[in-house]
Amino acid sequence: GAVVSQHPSRVICKSGTSVKIECRSLDFQATTMFWYRQFPKQSLMLMATSNEGSKATYEQGVEKDKFLINHASLTLSTLTVTSAHPEDSSFYICSARRNREYGYTFGSGTRLTVV
Amino acid sequence: AQTVTQSQPEMSVQEAETVTLSCTYDTSESDYYLFWYKQPPSRQMILVIRQEAYKQQNATENRFSVNFQKAAKSFSLKISDSQLGDAAMYFCGGATNKLIFGTGTLLAVQP
Repeated sequence: GAVVSQHPSRVICKSGTSVKIECRSLDFQATTMFWYRQFPKQSLMLMATSNEGSKATYEQGVEKDKFLINHASLTLSTLTVTSAHPEDSSFYICSARRNREYGYTFGSGTRLTVV
Repeated sequence: AQTVTQSQPEMSVQEAETVTLSCTYDTSESDYYLFWYKQPPSRQMILVIRQEAYKQQNATENRFSVNFQKAAKSFSLKISDSQLGDAAMYFCGGATNKLIFGTGTLLAVQP
């Protein structure tokens, strides 16, 4: 149990366009989902906490207008990178928490390349 | 605020030997959970082991065990009988309402 699906796995987009990444919990309801960014050979940096039915909570230094997060249902959260630029190229990973005791299940990640 | 610190950027172990990865944390929360995740080259995050910080008993999962020292805020991971498939990046994490990670330790397993 506790499977999280993330789509797409890879995306290439042109500078100035927007791209949406989906994160779905397949076999459990996740009231809270998390979005991370990971640069090569570095750790996962938490970007924001996504709560179903309410606004996301962003970490310090993360641009809210650049990284739009929507958590419209108990099984789906989306991250939209708006007006993407080459510096937004990175590996983005989502995570869902069924409950605090169970732990956090991660999606397989999305490699975003902005050209 | 919470912090997680991993002081070993890289470690190496011989196959079948034992290795310990270090982690320290700092939080003012009593309701705190600690995790070790493995990230192989596929970059999929895989849960290795977790520990409730309010429990003193050390968690164990097969060849993986933790040495949890609450007073020292230390949460080290011991891998026994190391296998080639254990080679990966290992991240220590701590969570109250959100999970944050240390900088990671790259583990190499030598045949």
